[in-house]
Amino acid sequence: GAVVSQHPSRVICKSGTSVKIECRSLDFQATTMFWYRQFPKQSLMLMATSNEGSKATYEQGVEKDKFLINHASLTLSTLTVTSAHPEDSSFYICSATPPGQAEAFFGQGTRLTVV
Amino acid sequence: AQSVTQPDIHITVSEGASLELRCNYSYGATPYLFWYVQSPGQGLQLLLKYFSGDTLVQGIKGFEAEFKRSQSSFNLRKPSVHWSDAAEYFCAVGRGGADGLTFGKGTHLIIQP
Repeated sequence: GAVVSQHPSRVICKSGTSVKIECRSLDFQATTMFWYRQFPKQSLMLMATSNEGSKATYEQGVEKDKFLINHASLTLSTLTVTSAHPEDSSFYICSATPPGQAEAFFGQGTRLTVV
Repeated sequence: AQSVTQPDIHITVSEGASLELRCNYSYGATPYLFWYVQSPGQGLQLLLKYFSGDTLVQGIKGFEAEFKRSQSSFNLRKPSVHWSDAAEYFCAVGRGGADGLTFGKGTHLIIQP
């Protein structure tokens, strides 16, 4: 199957700082990638759809100024959590679907802890 | 709006016993249906998927699921669980491509020795 790689797997940052998470499709090009958030012991919630070469589409209730998404190439999307606060601590997971397929492949996730 | 319901938050099963995890969905069109498994602190691994055709689908690790359109269900089954099956299981619905997935709240599977 296709491979989606996410980096870093864990990050701890101080409150008020910004953190960038990378999502790469290693063996296919992805015009669209997805970012999810998962609180402890809860389900995955779609945050936004990352579109190569254009603005991301955010789900209702997600602050686009706090969660900046950039999809500058066909294999890389980044999520930047700006001015992070402890309530932003969560597990962030990205996914991408190879062209012509319906199955989504997920990165391994990033555990963000804001202290 | 689409939604996925996994009515069982926790399920405890003895090792070697059979397993069924329930999933009901609401979707405006013919959905693609997925079951994923997640171990603590890990990403998601696809167990199986249904797009069309045979309503009984086989997946990895001995899992299978049956799509029942009349009941809007896609229940996951395994005839004999192993201790390594202990994990969180998520049912998801979507259309793939430019659409993200909608996940259920998950079912936490505990395996008793």
